[in-house]
Amino acid sequence: EPQLVESGGGLVQPGGSLKLSCAASGFIFSNFDMNWVRQAPGKGLEWVSYISSTSRSIYYADSVKGRFIVSRDNAKNSLYLQVNSLRDEDTAVFYCATLAGNRDYWGQGTLVTVSS
Amino acid sequence: QSALTQPASVSGSPGQSITISCTGTSSDVGNYNLVSWYQQHPGKAPQLIIYDVLKRPSGVSSRFSGSKSGNTASLTISGLQAEDEADYHCCSYAGSTTPWVFGGGTKLTVL
Repeated sequence: EPQLVESGGGLVQPGGSLKLSCAASGFIFSNFDMNWVRQAPGKGLEWVSYISSTSRSIYYADSVKGRFIVSRDNAKNSLYLQVNSLRDEDTAVFYCATLAGNRDYWGQGTLVTVSS
Repeated sequence: QSALTQPASVSGSPGQSITISCTGTSSDVGNYNLVSWYQQHPGKAPQLIIYDVLKRPSGVSSRFSGSKSGNTASLTISGLQAEDEADYHCCSYAGSTTPWVFGGGTKLTVL
């Protein structure tokens, strides 16, 4: 069964950094484009970043462009999100997800809290 | 990168039908038949209930149906049940450089 497991979240001060990870299993990770989606407390979902299956194409939401860096290691079945220059408004649960129609897989999320 | 527009909340009684709208633009909802709907219970990850505007994943109840007209997609839930009380999110493909856009989410209350 397909599974995505995020890790790396935590409490960080404004201006700080974290590296989020997403471990995939149960499907051929290297065949899938991947996304990061976040959800601030009590708010809706927000698409954050996309990376193609080969890492050739990478896109970011305007709200994180220049501060977040997405990457992947297909040999390790893993997706990453380096989050830098964190702001209060980045506080959210971060999900990795395929968003691939019927092959739609999400992790359980990892919470990033930005606070001094 | 504007979010899709959904009503903040809708409500209905058991057995009734409700419809949640999701309004975008000609650059997203209106241009692609790639609208998905997610159900999210508190503290849980979103679960896909409709994809490609009107298709249901295996295991999803036929009480859930999707449609689209112009720049607005809709989710209809018929025969409301208490377990349908949740947040519902729409999502549309929006082109190659901003692939996905979500709605603000709609809280469904079953009275």
